[in-house]
Amino acid sequence: NAGVTQTPKFQVLKTGQSMTLQCAQDMNHNSMYWYRQDPGMGLRLIYYSASEGTTDKGEVPNGYNVSRLNKREFSLRLESAAPSQTSVYFCASQTRLSNQPQHFGDGTRLSIL
Amino acid sequence: TQLLEQSPQFLSIQEGENLTVYCNSSSVFSSLQWYRQEPGEGPVLLVTVVTGGEVKKLKRLTFQFGDARKDSSLHITAAQPGDTGLYLCAGDYHAGGTSYGKLTFGQGTILTVHP
Repeated sequence: NAGVTQTPKFQVLKTGQSMTLQCAQDMNHNSMYWYRQDPGMGLRLIYYSASEGTTDKGEVPNGYNVSRLNKREFSLRLESAAPSQTSVYFCASQTRLSNQPQHFGDGTRLSIL
Repeated sequence: TQLLEQSPQFLSIQEGENLTVYCNSSSVFSSLQWYRQEPGEGPVLLVTVVTGGEVKKLKRLTFQFGDARKDSSLHITAAQPGDTGLYLCAGDYHAGGTSYGKLTFGQGTILTVHP
């Protein structure tokens, strides 16, 4: 009963390094999302993928890229990490039906020095 | 960009007390969801409200959607230490188009219930 799986759970990077956050869901959901969570700011949408083969920008896309590899997997890439990208990153998935819950992974805690 | 103002940001109360968390916006939402998040985990859905004026109850939790679908509240009766956590409201807004599930989240309310 995995749901949404994110890897890694923790990561420390130096400014300018790159890395990819991985996300996979086993619920056959069409839509997938990447959020960042910062203290006092709730969750902010970075990118989303309404269906396999499509991606679109959310509220805070600058400095990030995404790939919807297949229906199960949606990755988030930081090409040149900056301290302002220190955050907790959450991946979520959702069926295409209206008013259904988003199912979240347990997050990746990313620190950029 | 639609904004959801959630208040209060922090609540520290004693076991047995009642509390209310508010979520307000200047925009009309097609639906509003409430999530609860525990440390080290992702948010988990508590309820979805869709109709203006709708009231839903989940044991000691009562959720209300405003008549104009611009605001919502979460009321907890006789809070218990197990209610401790981060509560988030999230609105689904789409102006006649398709939302693709793009939620706008409030800032969150950190609730601590002391035994």
